[in-house]
Order: sequence, then C-alpha cells, then structure tokens
Amino acid sequence: KNEVEQSPQNLTAQEGEFITINCSYSVGISALHWLQQHPGGGIVSLFMLSSGKKKHGRLIATINIQEKHSSLHITASHPRDSAVYICAVGNRDDKIIFGKGTRLHILP
Amino acid sequence: DGGITQSPKYLFRKEGQNVTLSCEQNLNHDAMYWYRQDPGQGLRLIYYSQIVNDFQKGDIAEGYSVSREKKESFPLTVTSAQKNPTAFYLCASSTWTVFNEQFFGPGTRLTVL
Repeated sequence: KNEVEQSPQNLTAQEGEFITINCSYSVGISALHWLQQHPGGGIVSLFMLSSGKKKHGRLIATINIQEKHSSLHITASHPRDSAVYICAVGNRDDKIIFGKGTRLHILP
Repeated sequence: DGGITQSPKYLFRKEGQNVTLSCEQNLNHDAMYWYRQDPGQGLRLIYYSQIVNDFQKGDIAEGYSVSREKKESFPLTVTSAQKNPTAFYLCASSTWTVFNEQFFGPGTRLTVL
C-alpha cells in the first residue's frame, strides 16, 4: 500500500463544476503539500498546510490530521485548471513522499 | 526574476554515455533536490543537498551522482550505470528542509536512445 494515496486518479468535469480531489496518507507528517503540474511538466506549489484550511482564489485545501486526510477543492472550475494535482507529505524523518497525482480535465 | 532554471528542456543521449543536467536557482535557498518522474508514478527523490559541499542520497540514487560546489547550483549526472535513464527530471529548492515549501524548475526530459 502506498503511503500517500490520491483519488480519483482521473477526473473529467464540465466548466463551472465544483471539484474535489482527495489525499489519504498513512505516515506521521509535519506538513502536507498540494502541487499542480501543467502539461509542459513544470510544477507549482499551491498549498502547504499542517492543520485546518487554506484558501487562495478559487482553490481551497483542507486537512484533517486525526483522519490523515486532505482535500483540494476547486470552485467554478475552468479549462485552464486542467492539470495533474499532486499531494505530497513531509514526514518526521525529513523526507517528502509524493502521491501519484490526479489528472483533471475540465471541458469547456 | 527569482526562480529555478533547468537546461536543456529536452535531451537525447546514446546508451552508455554519461550526461549532466543543470539546475540553477537564484532564490538564495539552502536546500536543493533532484526528483525523477516516470509515467503513472509519484516523484521519487534521487539526491538532495541542504548545504554547500554536502549532499545525501535519496530513494533511488544508484546510477546518479551530484555535486554542490555553489549554493546556486546542483548539477545531476546520469551515469551509464543507471539502467533506465529515460525519464523526466525535476530540480527543486527550499529554504531549509522538506517541511518548507519547495519551488520546482521546469524539468528536463531525458531520452536515451
């Protein structure tokens, strides 16, 4: 079993829909990261969180430490949100473990 | 502009040749990392460095080597000992540890023919 599991693996939605991507992890962590990878390959850090909730524009990230679960939400989705979204956790051994990513495709 | 640069974006090499991928950052970050990304897999850590002249093996260091002679630069050499070198390679940096936000370069896609 992978230490970081994301679901779904692939997601196709219509423009305007509310999107939720989930991340579950099985290790003790100090921080959780959400990253966005565009088709060209470049990766951008969206959020780093260790508790609660963060919001940036149409993106919201939440984390429940007790349940070892985080969600990334996109409101009013747009085709430009199409990308691979990656969850990564920093564990207590000073290592970062990446999920396999969720491929999101927003149709116009 | 502050950021991380990797060059080239695409690289082709013949089997058996060593190749060096460059990574430069002007963010004044102490820590730098090299990751490998294969289709359907999460990023895997090859090497990382938290300070000049020091670096540590990651999860898949075999067949790779690095150097950290300057704070700004962390080149990765893919040697002929790496059995499956064709992959997408990403460099990243952060202010100190993996607990901090990592900034990624645009990546280099290496194809070994």
